[in-house]
Amino acid sequence: DVVMTQSPLSLPVTLGQPASISCRSSQSLEYSDGNTYLNWIQQRPGQSPRRLIYRVSNRDSGVPDRFSGSGSGTDFTLKISRVEAEDVGVYYCMQGRHWPPGPTFGQGTKLEIK
Amino acid sequence: EMQLLESGGGLVQPGGSLRLSCAASGFTFSIYAMIWVRQAPGRGLEWVSSITTNGDNTYYAESVKGRFTISRDNSKNTLYLQMNSLRAEDTAVYYCNDVRGNFDSWGQGTLVTVSS
Repeated sequence: DVVMTQSPLSLPVTLGQPASISCRSSQSLEYSDGNTYLNWIQQRPGQSPRRLIYRVSNRDSGVPDRFSGSGSGTDFTLKISRVEAEDVGVYYCMQGRHWPPGPTFGQGTKLEIK
Repeated sequence: EMQLLESGGGLVQPGGSLRLSCAASGFTFSIYAMIWVRQAPGRGLEWVSSITTNGDNTYYAESVKGRFTISRDNSKNTLYLQMNSLRAEDTAVYYCNDVRGNFDSWGQGTLVTVSS
């Protein structure tokens, strides 16, 4: 199975400062259809997960442009240009390239305000 | 607008059974392979089971194999998870989604609590 490894697992950030989360997969996430199935998911405290970024770098509707995704192959990054209080939560990367049996998630990165 | 609405959770004793449902709307349900994902209290997201578009093929995490059964009814736009022989470690919020993460929104999930 594909293993997704995130770092750091804990990310204390000062308001207004940038933040970056890395996600590495044990196999390439590029598919023969030309897509790379790597998503970033945000889960605020007490809420359901919410997709932020799909296929590496596409922001979902309503996601502020301070969020950006990049990467290729096995190495991916989520960046927040200026952290705001509403960004507190846990961020997961998720691969949907290799199935069956199913998608896999990173361990999660907990972002908190310093 | 696409929506996923999970239901069927509750409190059950160890060894008991529950059947979860996921009602899909706002998209063509039958063309998506679907999954169940769970999140135990204070833990991360864990894939549980997958099913192909026509339901012919199903896949399970080792932790639930032989106890859980995934199925779907494309005529009703609904995904199911039959959970038998439940254990304390199955306590979690259960979510449905598609296998590649094509959906921008997740449902509110349904809480399963296994306790005596």
